[in-house]
Amino acid sequence: EPEVTQTPSHQVTQMGQEVILRCVPISNHLYFYWYRQILGQKVEFLVSFYNNEISEKSEIFDDQFSVERPDGSNFTLKIRSTKLEDSAMYFCASSGDRAINQPQHFGDGTRLSIL
Amino acid sequence: QQPVQSPQAVILREGEDAVINCSSSKALYSVHWYRQKHGEAPVFLMILLKGGEQKGHEKISASFNEKKQQSSLYLTASQLSYSGTYFCGTDVSGNTGKLIFGQGTTLQVKP
Repeated sequence: EPEVTQTPSHQVTQMGQEVILRCVPISNHLYFYWYRQILGQKVEFLVSFYNNEISEKSEIFDDQFSVERPDGSNFTLKIRSTKLEDSAMYFCASSGDRAINQPQHFGDGTRLSIL
Repeated sequence: QQPVQSPQAVILREGEDAVINCSSSKALYSVHWYRQKHGEAPVFLMILLKGGEQKGHEKISASFNEKKQQSSLYLTASQLSYSGTYFCGTDVSGNTGKLIFGQGTTLQVKP
């Protein structure tokens, strides 16, 4: 069964450094998302992306965050200057040919640890 | 804006049934249910759409009351593999796919 893949599985970074999290969505999916989950808490929406544009972003997704689809397969989340509170599990998800009424399939996540 | 799930935690014996509820203060376009095991990604279980359509898991059923903005997940004849945290994700935008998740319900199934 097709799946969303994320790399790396664990990223350790010094505070203030830039980090890029990578995702390969399911190949025929058109809608892409990033969510994060702080340890022991609920899953929080960060951003949705379609047709090379952000369609919605949350208040968490401030100027330090950006997303990009640099080629036909990858979808990346960049944090420019990381803070301690950015430590979390980051999940990429994708869904099919519509934004609504479609299951979102999650990758295994990248655990980001900021020191 | 965050949906409220109840109960927060459930402990069952194998073979017992459970109901997990999800209630929103906003009108919903759809409700998505996920199960997450410790240290793993959320796994899609079911989506409930306005108008009554459902897509998802064979052994798990759910309901969606659009007027009350509520959904319930029914786990019958529970198995050990059902253990995990169940999240409902609500679509209140109707056009961007943004899901707002509840705080989760932890289910533990014991032999």
